[in-house]
Amino acid sequence: ETGVTQSPTHLIKTRGQQVTLRCSSQSGHNTVSWYQQALGQGPQFIFQYYREEENGRGNFPPRFSGLQFPNYSSELNVNALELDDSALYLCASSLSGSGANVLTFGAGSRLTVL
Amino acid sequence: QKEVEQDPGPLSVPEGAIVSLNCTYSNSAFQYFMWYRQYSRKGPELLMYTYSSGNKEDGRFTAQVDKSSKYISLFIRDSQPSDSATYLCAMIPYGNNRLAFGKGNQVVVIP
Repeated sequence: ETGVTQSPTHLIKTRGQQVTLRCSSQSGHNTVSWYQQALGQGPQFIFQYYREEENGRGNFPPRFSGLQFPNYSSELNVNALELDDSALYLCASSLSGSGANVLTFGAGSRLTVL
Repeated sequence: QKEVEQDPGPLSVPEGAIVSLNCTYSNSAFQYFMWYRQYSRKGPELLMYTYSSGNKEDGRFTAQVDKSSKYISLFIRDSQPSDSATYLCAMIPYGNNRLAFGKGNQVVVIP
């Protein structure tokens, strides 16, 4: 059983640029959630995807967008990067209908915006 | 007031000591309560998951939930250096799909 894998692990961008982060969900999981974890903070919910549709969104602006593919993998896109977007971006997969969202997290993509 | 409060102060304990962590919350709708452990440069991993008020034990770990006081705790007995990590409390309302996390406690177990 493979876990959640994320790429890239680290990246550096400049303000105003765009970034795409990728996530492969755990085998058998059909739901993907994205969280932003700033340094010294707990993860903050960005959004969740189920059946290729956004299924809930946290308090993040529209420049944060996502996709889920038929194989349940997912992308997080952030446009017009700001310095405050510097954070660890965590992808988590789960099986919808299996009870309270027991999430399996990936190791994250660490984004630095200069 | 944040939905979930967790005093983020680092905690250093000698090996073998009991580690006590806690969180408070304000949203009465929270039904599921979890503790995640996060090692440096890793994603959070689920440690304990509870639904109702009371205690749940798993080896050296005990999770407590007191819904009347909106207070949850995690105890680690006989702490080991390998327990050194950040511990995050998390909770979710029934029928919802988003975890609300505390800030996390960095725990260091000194050999």
